Amino acid sequence: DVKVTQSSRYLVKRTGEKVFLECVQDMDHENMFWYRQDPGLGLRLIYFSYDVKMKEKGDIPEGYSVSREKKERFSLILESASTNQTSMYLCASSGIAFQETQYFGPGTRLLVL
Amino acid sequence: AQKVTQAQTEISVVEKEDVTLDCVYETRDTTYYLFWYKQPPSGELVFLIRRNSFDEQNEISGRYSWNFQKSTSSFNFTITASQVVDSAVYFCALVYGGSQGNLIFGKGTKLSVKP
Repeated sequence: DVKVTQSSRYLVKRTGEKVFLECVQDMDHENMFWYRQDPGLGLRLIYFSYDVKMKEKGDIPEGYSVSREKKERFSLILESASTNQTSMYLCASSGIAFQETQYFGPGTRLLVL
Repeated sequence: AQKVTQAQTEISVVEKEDVTLDCVYETRDTTYYLFWYKQPPSGELVFLIRRNSFDEQNEISGRYSWNFQKSTSSFNFTITASQVVDSAVYFCALVYGGSQGNLIFGKGTKLSVKP
């Protein structure tokens, strides 16, 4: 069974803190993705990675960075959290071909105070 | 432009009613894939179906069925005899050869099934 896990379901942080969101997949997938989901805006792609140490910007990369040191793990980093980064963050993974299905983790609800 | 439109923002039905969720897409590519995902209140997006642009056969899986019509660029999803557990947000999504595997999502349709 496919499995994508995220380090936290709920997270509360203070403005200015450095925040790490971790995502791990056990399907040996090449591609990994980070999205944020906001009411009325739907899902928006932040960053994606198609290989270890490779990363590509998505639609809204500002204020975020990512790290992929191992194939199974993709981290999203908020260098200095701000209140407008309060959101639901979803991680996904897929095989290398463009048509491969993306499988999602349970999501992390982040509140920045 | 590549785009997915889910015109229905929210739908409310009573249990056992049939309900159809609409999805209209735009793409210039001849090879593309369409997806439906379900997001229950817990938050996780659950994959339901993937369809490629060369296969217009309708698909049925239990109470779920999908109608793909290239002539109208639509990929609609019908739930027959809806149940309370079907309450969720449903997303339609598109991927095409030039998108590097990045899904283009519709804004989602929130379905509420009342007992």
